Amino acid sequence: ETGVTQTPRHLVMGMTNKKSLKCEQHLGHNAMYWYKQSAKKPLELMFVYNFKEQTENNSVPSRFSPECPNSSHLFLHLHTLQPEDSALYLCASSQDSNKGAGNTIYFGEGSWLTVV
Amino acid sequence: AQTVTQSQPEMSVQEAETVTLSCTYDTSESDYYLFWYKQPPSRQMILVIRQEAYKQQNATENRFSVNFQKAAKSFSLKISDSQLGDAAMYFCAYRSSNFGNEKLTFGTGTRLTIIP
Repeated sequence: ETGVTQTPRHLVMGMTNKKSLKCEQHLGHNAMYWYKQSAKKPLELMFVYNFKEQTENNSVPSRFSPECPNSSHLFLHLHTLQPEDSALYLCASSQDSNKGAGNTIYFGEGSWLTVV
Repeated sequence: AQTVTQSQPEMSVQEAETVTLSCTYDTSESDYYLFWYKQPPSRQMILVIRQEAYKQQNATENRFSVNFQKAAKSFSLKISDSQLGDAAMYFCAYRSSNFGNEKLTFGTGTRLTIIP
């Protein structure tokens, strides 16, 4: 248990569906991340939120829409996805500040997404 | 941009023996952080060990230790007395110390098999 909880753990959705992935961290961190892990590819950073503000969008298609209502919660809204979007989506958090980063990033257990 | 290279897609070791996983990275920064993460079949990304670049002393965590060679930009992981539970994918990761660039950059991973 790392203090980062992701739901659902498994999701199957059609290409016309709208669904959301949820992440909650209980560590008091102020930065949260979405990563995508596909087969035979390095982990890809998708989004970074720091103090609820999006600080990075790594050229992610608009069919993925993040939302960070507060420092403890992060959502990934999904709509009109493609089969190639099937992957493991990992949420993570860390405690960062404007005095310098480098604190450890803690990951959730991931949400397996299958697009049919 | 920083890059992380793990040149060993797969490694195997006899139980109770020692194995070393290789990692090299490329950066123009002088201050940064390096990590080894373990991802077992459950897909949870678990921190194994962390190294601050400004520290010359190699980090150790029980049976896990690193050989950090800053000039060579090398960061290998040594696992001593290998156990069956060590079987997993191991990812090397780099993180800048600059605020606003806190994302983790991962290597492609090394799959470690433990032979009973």
